[in-house]
Amino acid sequence: GAVVSQHPSRVICKSGTSVKIECRSLDFQATTMFWYRQFPKQSLMLMATSNEGSKATYEQGVEKDKFLINHASLTLSTLTVTSAHPEDSSFYICSARRIGNSPLHFGNGTRLTVT
Amino acid sequence: DQQVKQNSPSLSVQEGRISILNCDYTNSMFDYFLWYKKYPAEGPTFLISISSIKDKNEDGRFTVFLNKSAKHLSLHIVPSQPGDSAVYFCAASVLSTGNQFYFGTGTSLTVIP
Repeated sequence: GAVVSQHPSRVICKSGTSVKIECRSLDFQATTMFWYRQFPKQSLMLMATSNEGSKATYEQGVEKDKFLINHASLTLSTLTVTSAHPEDSSFYICSARRIGNSPLHFGNGTRLTVT
Repeated sequence: DQQVKQNSPSLSVQEGRISILNCDYTNSMFDYFLWYKKYPAEGPTFLISISSIKDKNEDGRFTVFLNKSAKHLSLHIVPSQPGDSAVYFCAASVLSTGNQFYFGTGTSLTVIP
């Protein structure tokens, strides 16, 4: 069964508004979670690494003030797209990893459409 | 710079035959490789992994082969089933340096009944 839950699965918002996406690890604690973005027919691009109790680490080219990440507990990370614009429309996916040498487990993603 | 490449965007295979999906990488430091399967509007699902100390890992119908000298890995699915139709991503990581995984662009597999 799913080990990472992501919500909402789909959201449509108006330009200028903010959208919050939640990512939860269901049966394990994740000190680190990851946020990816996928454009059509492209690979998953890592946006940022979310660290429990500390600031997120953003990849080059990702605006930290636009994509706010909060990792308030060992099972929850949130991504807030602030002042969304149509170009932010994309598929956002979170992932988490159990300790040790284990694969990433992904949430089901959030399809964001900004009108 | 794309460190993990899947040069075939799509592949069609007859049901019951073997599907072979290929992946190349450029970073010789990668020591952990994975294959994920993704359906539309869903997150990727882990399929199978292999560490660099092995050259083959098998799990049911899925086998991953790793050729370190060629920096190449492949996923074999046999026999292919219509339910295998999905996009397959390969991913690579350097375990000792952290958690970042690098993904290929994916190969869309269609298994024809």
